[in-house]
Amino acid sequence: NAGVTQTPKFRILKIGQSMTLQCTQDMNHNYMYWYRQDPGMGLKLIYYSVGAGITDKGEVPNGYNVSRSTTEDFPLRLELAAPSQTSVYFCASSYSTFGPHGESQPQHFGDGTRLSIL
Amino acid sequence: AQKVTQAQTEISVVEKEDVTLDCVYETRDTTYYLFWYKQPPSGELVFLIRRNSFDEQNEISGRYSWNFQKSTSSFNFTITASQVVDSAVYFCALSEATSGTYKYIFGTGTRLKVLA
Repeated sequence: NAGVTQTPKFRILKIGQSMTLQCTQDMNHNYMYWYRQDPGMGLKLIYYSVGAGITDKGEVPNGYNVSRSTTEDFPLRLELAAPSQTSVYFCASSYSTFGPHGESQPQHFGDGTRLSIL
Repeated sequence: AQKVTQAQTEISVVEKEDVTLDCVYETRDTTYYLFWYKQPPSGELVFLIRRNSFDEQNEISGRYSWNFQKSTSSFNFTITASQVVDSAVYFCALSEATSGTYKYIFGTGTRLKVLA
C-alpha cells in the first residue's frame, strides 16, 4: 500500500526560485493537508483541503499556494523561495474528519520533503 | 486558547527501562481528540493512538500504554521495557470539535533515545 507519497524527498533551492512539492494519496481520503516542521518544533498547518476544488488556509499560509484538482493530488507551490521556508514539509490525508460516531479521524502522513533554501 | 505542551525535550533511557512521555493540553472545548504520533529517524510520522474526550479509559497496546486524565488535562504515554527501536521523536496532538477537527495542534515533541 503506497498511502501518501511525496516527491521530491530532498531539494535545494536558491532564493527567489519557485518549485512545487508533489503529494498524492491512494486511500480515497477527501481531506488533505500540508504541514511544515521546523527544528525542535511541532508541525504547523500551511493549507488544507476538504475535497477536490476546495482549499483553505491554515496557520502559516504566507508564501505558499495550493490546488486540489483531483481527490488524489494536493501539490504545494512556493513562488519566491525565501530562507525562512527552509523546513521539512509533510503532506497528510484523512477521511472526513467525523467518523461514524463523530470521532476525529487520524491523519496519515507522507515521508516528508526536506527543503533547503540558500 | 488551545495548546499542547510536551515539556520533556529529550529523554535518554537504557534498554528495558520503562519511560513515560508527558503531554499536557489546554482547550475550552468539551469535545476534543488527542493523538500520539511517532517519528522515527527515517522521518515519517506514524499514528499510534487517538483518544476521545468522553472516553477516559486508559489503553494498553503491547508495551505501549496511555493514561488520559481530564482532571489534570494530561495524556501521558508509557513505554514498558523500552527497546532501541523505540528511539524516535514522539508528538502529542489535539484537535477540537468547534474549531474543526482537521486542525491538529501539535506539541513540540519529545525525543526518546533508548541506549543498548
